[in-house]
Amino acid sequence: NAGVTQTPKFQVLKTGQSMTLQCAQDMNHEYMSWYRQDPGMGLRLIHYSVGAGITDQGEVPNGYNVSRSTTEDFPLRLLSAAPSQTSVYFCASRERPGTGREQYFGPGTRLTVT
Amino acid sequence: GESVGLHLPTLSVQEGDNSIINCAYSNSASDYFIWYKQESGKGPQFIIDIRSNMDKRQGQRVTVLLNKTVKHLSLQIAATQPGDSAVYFCAEIPFVGGASKIIFGSGTRLSIRP
Repeated sequence: NAGVTQTPKFQVLKTGQSMTLQCAQDMNHEYMSWYRQDPGMGLRLIHYSVGAGITDQGEVPNGYNVSRSTTEDFPLRLLSAAPSQTSVYFCASRERPGTGREQYFGPGTRLTVT
Repeated sequence: GESVGLHLPTLSVQEGDNSIINCAYSNSASDYFIWYKQESGKGPQFIIDIRSNMDKRQGQRVTVLLNKTVKHLSLQIAATQPGDSAVYFCAEIPFVGGASKIIFGSGTRLSIRP
C-alpha cells in the first residue's frame, strides 16, 4: 500500500490564482481530512469527509472547497489564493471514527502565495 | 471554545534521560486523547492514545497519563534517544460531531543533548 499520497510537494502561487491540491489513499478508508499547519502551530482542520459524497467544514474552511466523488480521492481547491493561505497542507485518512490510532497522514504540500 | 494547548513550546533533554511532555485541554467532553510525533518535513505519526475512561496507558518506551480532574495530559518517553527528536502534538477527539474531528494542540519541540 502507498498509504496517503499528496501532490504536489511544493507549489508557489500568485495572489488570485486557483489550484487543486490532490490527495489519494489506497486503504479504503471512509474518513478523510485536510489540515493546514502554520509555523509554530498545530494542525487546524479545514474540511473533512466521512464517506464518498459527504463533506463538512472544519475550523478554517473559508477560501477552500472540497469534494469526495470516490472513496480514494479527496482534492482540496483554493478558489482565489491569498498570502494568508501560505502554509503546509496535510491530508489524512482513517478507517472509522472514535480513535486516532488508525489516522494516517500524507507527506504534506508546502504552498507559498506571493 | 474547544482548545488543546501545551505548557512548553520547547524541551531539551539529555540522551538517556526520561522526557515528559505536558498538555492542557479545555474540552471535558472528549472521548480520546492522542499523541502524535512529527519529524521535520514529514506528516504527523501516531504514537499512543488513551480513552477518556482511563488514567494511564503504556506503549513501547512511552506512557500517556490522563488527569481529568485538572484536564491534563502528559507523554512520558523513557530513555530518550536521538531519534526521539521531533515535535510532539497532543490532540483530542470530542464527542460532539460523531467523533469525526481531531483537534490538535500547538506542539512541543523535543531536542536531545548528546
